[in-house]
Amino acid sequence: DTGVSQDPRHKITKRGQNVTFRCDPISEHNRLYWYRQTLGQGPEFLTYFQNEAQLEKSRLLSDRFSAERPKGSFSTLEIQRTEQGDSAMYLCASSLRETSTATTFGSGTRLTVV
Amino acid sequence: AQSVTQLGSHVSVSEGALVLLRCNYSSSVPPYLFWYVQYPNQGLQLLLKYTTGATLVKGINGFEAEFKKSETSFHLTKPSAHMSDAAEYFCAVSVGNQGGKLIFGQGTELSVKP
Repeated sequence: DTGVSQDPRHKITKRGQNVTFRCDPISEHNRLYWYRQTLGQGPEFLTYFQNEAQLEKSRLLSDRFSAERPKGSFSTLEIQRTEQGDSAMYLCASSLRETSTATTFGSGTRLTVV
Repeated sequence: AQSVTQLGSHVSVSEGALVLLRCNYSSSVPPYLFWYVQYPNQGLQLLLKYTTGATLVKGINGFEAEFKKSETSFHLTKPSAHMSDAAEYFCAVSVGNQGGKLIFGQGTELSVKP
């Protein structure tokens, strides 16, 4: 068990470019969550998966954002046509099941849009 | 709807002094409450959690928190601060008691002076 892994750790992109982040949860965890954290704020919920099914999306997740978890293992978060306001830390978390209170967070991907 | 308010965005204490970080919550159901710590450019690490049972919960690194339903509070304390405690601390409540979907407070930055 190596914890929740996120790749890359840092990403600098030009405005208008597309970016994709990857999250590898703890292997037996069937719940996977994405959060966004802007500077000086707490993380905000974006979306979550139960196995490969995306069960909920926050209103924060605009049409430019898409998340997948194709085989119920790793997940990707893609942002199309990035804007400066997308600059943030994107955190992934996983838990064993829906009632689990033991949620493990990854170290995050810090996105800077220039 | 559930929400969390952390009183004080920045707390400064001397090494060896008491640490008190304040958190108030709002929840229409009995809450599950959490405290997380975040070091610079890192993910979130769980300090402690309250689900049911004993209202005084002990966590890692000497921290503890007390759930007070009458005051809708879940303040975090540590009797004696250490330099290594300097970090950002987040209080969170789980949504509908789904462990991994969390609503976070805005965070409190703890500084420890030598």
